Amino acid sequence: GAVVSQHPSRVICKSGTSVKIECRSLDFQATTMFWYRQFPKQSLMLMATSNEGSKATYEQGVEKDKFLINHASLTLSTLTVTSAHPEDSSFYICSGRNGPGGYTFGSGTRLTVV
Amino acid sequence: SQQGEEDPQALSIQEGENATMNCSYKTSINNLQWYRQNSGRGLVHLILIRSNEREKHSGRLRVTLDTSKKSSSLLITASRAADTASYFCATDKGGGSNYKLTFGKGTLLTVNP
Repeated sequence: GAVVSQHPSRVICKSGTSVKIECRSLDFQATTMFWYRQFPKQSLMLMATSNEGSKATYEQGVEKDKFLINHASLTLSTLTVTSAHPEDSSFYICSGRNGPGGYTFGSGTRLTVV
Repeated sequence: SQQGEEDPQALSIQEGENATMNCSYKTSINNLQWYRQNSGRGLVHLILIRSNEREKHSGRLRVTLDTSKKSSSLLITASRAADTASYFCATDKGGGSNYKLTFGKGTLLTVNP
């Protein structure tokens, strides 16, 4: 079945630094990739939708300059958290769309900003 | 904004019992999906039900969809301790280039041995 590989699974960074999270679709071409964040004991909140080769569409309230999304190829999308602060600590999950109703999720990245 | 609202928010049952979780949504949808998430892990797709379907089965899972009431239910029969996880419904309502999944708040299911 379709697989999305997400790395790293865990990252700890210092406040003010940037962190890049990668998601690769291994056996399908993800023309659309979605990025979610999840706070403890809460649901997944959609941050942005990225289509290969075009700019990402951000949900209301998500700072596009802080959460940079690149979807340069059909198999790779990246999320960069710039100038991270402790309040950015969260669980980030990507999802690639692989056909009607088909969404394959990565295993998530636990970001801790200290 | 959250599309789905699950209830209950938390459910604790004994092994062998059935667990029922409900989900309500607000707008028209193409399909509704249920996912499972173990603590701190990624999502596992459980089942998809299309807007023109009313009931679907997969192993010990039974999902119903009532589009007139904009609600769905997930039934897990003969629960096991390994079923302990959070369960989310997610609605897929887009078309064209607007496909996206919107998640409900989730139900935390605890199955006691």
